[in-house]
Amino acid sequence: DTGVSQDPRHKITKRGQNVTFRCDPISEHNRLYWYRQTLGQGPEFLTYFQNEAQLEKSRLLSDRFSAERPKGSFSTLEIQRTEQGDSAMYLCASSFSRLGTGELFFGEGSRLTVL
Amino acid sequence: ILNVEQSPQSLHVQEGDSTNFTCSFPSSNFYALHWYRWETAKSPEALFVMTLNGDEKKKGRISATLNTKEGYSYLYIKGSQPEDSATYLCAYQDNYGQNFVFGPGTRLSVLP
Repeated sequence: DTGVSQDPRHKITKRGQNVTFRCDPISEHNRLYWYRQTLGQGPEFLTYFQNEAQLEKSRLLSDRFSAERPKGSFSTLEIQRTEQGDSAMYLCASSFSRLGTGELFFGEGSRLTVL
Repeated sequence: ILNVEQSPQSLHVQEGDSTNFTCSFPSSNFYALHWYRWETAKSPEALFVMTLNGDEKKKGRISATLNTKEGYSYLYIKGSQPEDSATYLCAYQDNYGQNFVFGPGTRLSVLP
């Protein structure tokens, strides 16, 4: 399978714990996006990388959230001191585009439940 | 703050019915409009990307139109089938062309 993969698919944690999600994009894709989706809402932008550079972060991304993409390959999204409001589906997507309209290829998401 | 809206929020139709949904987006600084289909327990999949005013795209029984001057796009499904049941998302790109702003989606249920 050469699609976008995310790990873990499901994570249940207690409030205050740290969690980390991993995304492996399609290998030739230079762009990688993280989105958060809650019930009844569309995907909400969190952050975006072009190669290894983090080019944009949502104002909604508090300082408890950090994302990396070392060497422009896989990416990790870490949430520190989780809160119940962090419970959501975290979606990763990648694309290859020099001009900006490249379609997004999504992973199946990592569902976080904070108790 | 960019606002992308979709209507209706949800829709139930009988197999064989034709249906359509609306996506509205800012008409200024427009770059591209994408449609995605998201089936339960799967990942969202791209249906169409449209960039020019008046664009029409078609894939089988599904088609889409684009009006960038007034800021809306329609998605049409002809002769709905149960396998069309999914959430349909539209996503707007402004002319920086990097970020995608998604609407809340339209949840379609096609009853056999």
